[in-house]
This record gives sequence, structure tokens and C-alpha cells, in this order.
Amino acid sequence: EIVMTQSPATLSVSPGERATLSCRASQNVNTNLAWYQQRPGQAPRLLIFGASTRATGIPARFSGSGSGTEFTLTISSLQSEDFAVYHCQQYNNWPLTFGPGTKVDIK
Amino acid sequence: EVQLVETGGGLIQPGGSLRLSCAASDITVSNNYMAWVRQAPGKGLEWVSVIYTDDSSYYADSVKGRFTISRDNSKNTLYLQMSSLRADDTAIYYCARLYSSALTFDYWGQGTLVAVSS
Repeated sequence: EIVMTQSPATLSVSPGERATLSCRASQNVNTNLAWYQQRPGQAPRLLIFGASTRATGIPARFSGSGSGTEFTLTISSLQSEDFAVYHCQQYNNWPLTFGPGTKVDIK
Repeated sequence: EVQLVETGGGLIQPGGSLRLSCAASDITVSNNYMAWVRQAPGKGLEWVSVIYTDDSSYYADSVKGRFTISRDNSKNTLYLQMSSLRADDTAIYYCARLYSSALTFDYWGQGTLVAVSS
């Protein structure tokens, strides 16, 4: 099973600032990596797939990069609605596995 | 607009059984890969089970032999039959569409809470 880790566990950012979140896979997942946003009390929402492709309706301030075992999600200028938990997920191998999440909160 | 609505959660004693339902609208369950994903309190997401369009199904090791995924095409509804429930099955259970071309979860229900406790 591929183990996904995320860092930091919590990221405190001021509105308008840039946020950079990391995700690491225990083995090569190529670019088969997705990111999800989960606001409090809500279901996850797909943001990015293929490591860097935004899902339908996702604002351009969200961008993803990386391949292999190291991935990054960048939010260029945090808006109030972006304060949430972000999960990464690999889909290179079964079982599909998620990281533990990074909480982005208001500084 | 695609909607997935889960029902059937609740408080259940260890060893008990429960069936979750996921009613779908604007999406045909039988034409899509459908899955269950769970989230224990304060924890990350865990894939539980998937059913493919050819009726084949797969399970996480943590639930294999205890959970069964199925669907009723006439009701456009996905199910998860859970038995021999344990405390560590306590979680919010989400129904989701697994996008077949990228194996990502692009539509989610709002979730239903299953609490296993005596």
C-alpha cells in the first residue's frame, strides 16, 4: 500500500497571502495525484487531478505541481473560503490512499 | 446537478449490522464506478469499497469479508451492507463517484455518520 504523508499538519496564513502545501508518496505515483478541499462540516471537493489539472470550476489561484513522490498544492492568494483542510490522494496503485490532510487556518 | 444522498447511519453496538444507502440523481449509478469513502472523527479519508460498471467490486483490507457493496439499478441507489461492526468503523461514510478515467472522486454525498459503541 502506498502511504501518503502531508506537511505541515497545520498552516497558518493571512488572507491574501500565498499558501504552499506538500504531499509525499512512499513510492512513485507518476502524476496520478489528486487534491481535495474539505470545508468544516462538508464533503471533500475535488480540486486538482493529474497532479496539475484543475477540476471543473476550480479557480486559477489553485495550482498543483510535482511528479513521482513529491507534490505541491499552491494557493496563490488566500480567500476566506479557502480556509479548510486539504487532502492529497494517489491513484497510481490500489488501494487508493489519501494523506492525513493539511489544515489551512487564519493567521 | 448531480446529487448523492446517503442515509442509514446511526448508533450501533459492536458486532451489529447496518445498511447504508446512497440515492443518486442526475447520474446513473450503473453507468459509473461508485464508491464508499469514510472519515473517522478528526482523521483523514479512507477508501472503503468500489463497484464497477461490470458489477465487480473491491474492498479495503480493513473491511473485506465484513462489508458488501451493491446497487439497485431500478432505484438508482448504491448500498453498503456492514456487518460485524467494530469501534474503529466509526466514521462519516461518504458515497462518491469514482471518475473512471482518472480514479478520482469527483462527486460526493454529504455523508452519514456511523457510530459503533456499546
